[in-house]
Amino acid sequence: SQKIEQNSEALNIQEGKTATLTCNYTNYSPAYLQWYRQDPGRGPVFLLLIRENEKEKRKERLKVTFDTTLKQSLFHITASQPADSATYLCAADQTGANNLFFGTGTRLTVIP
Amino acid sequence: KAGVTQTPRYLIKTRGQQVTLSCSPISGHRSVSWYQQTPGQGLQFLFEYFSETQRNKGNFPGRFSGRQFSNSRSEMNVSTLELGDSALYLCASSFNRGNTGELFFGEGSRLTVL
Repeated sequence: SQKIEQNSEALNIQEGKTATLTCNYTNYSPAYLQWYRQDPGRGPVFLLLIRENEKEKRKERLKVTFDTTLKQSLFHITASQPADSATYLCAADQTGANNLFFGTGTRLTVIP
Repeated sequence: KAGVTQTPRYLIKTRGQQVTLSCSPISGHRSVSWYQQTPGQGLQFLFEYFSETQRNKGNFPGRFSGRQFSNSRSEMNVSTLELGDSALYLCASSFNRGNTGELFFGEGSRLTVL
């Protein structure tokens, strides 16, 4: 069955470093991937969308890559700050279902 | 522009009861989707409505149902509540049908079943 996996449940990183989060998908080829940020007790907030024909997308300190050979998306936050601490969710379209489905998220903590 | 509004934010019910949750999408958005979020399972898709019609449905039992009104507001209902229904229920709206673009989420309704 189609699957989206975020391998790291939690990631701790020193302030100023680059945080890299991984999203893998199996048993299908999504047309696009999305990344969301979720703070405790809040709803997810959209960050970036990348399509299968795009290798890389950037927005300020954020960068997303999409590698269809490795079946993987990487999400990078450069010059990380404590305010970047949150859970980051990867989501992909589901073939034939016209809906998004989500990974379980990676909780990022940026240590001052 | 007002965001997605969900009510109530918190509620406590007992097993066997039923609950109705409400979602008002962003003005002009015609698609409303519902998700259940639990610590173990993450976000699980429940269903999506577009122009008052259910277009997609996730793998949840028939106790979970929803509807959408002509003003795009949506409600979801869970009948015969079970302990495992305790979760954060999130509503998301988008302009187009389906979840093929950016979703705008509400803050969620936190349901506790005792």
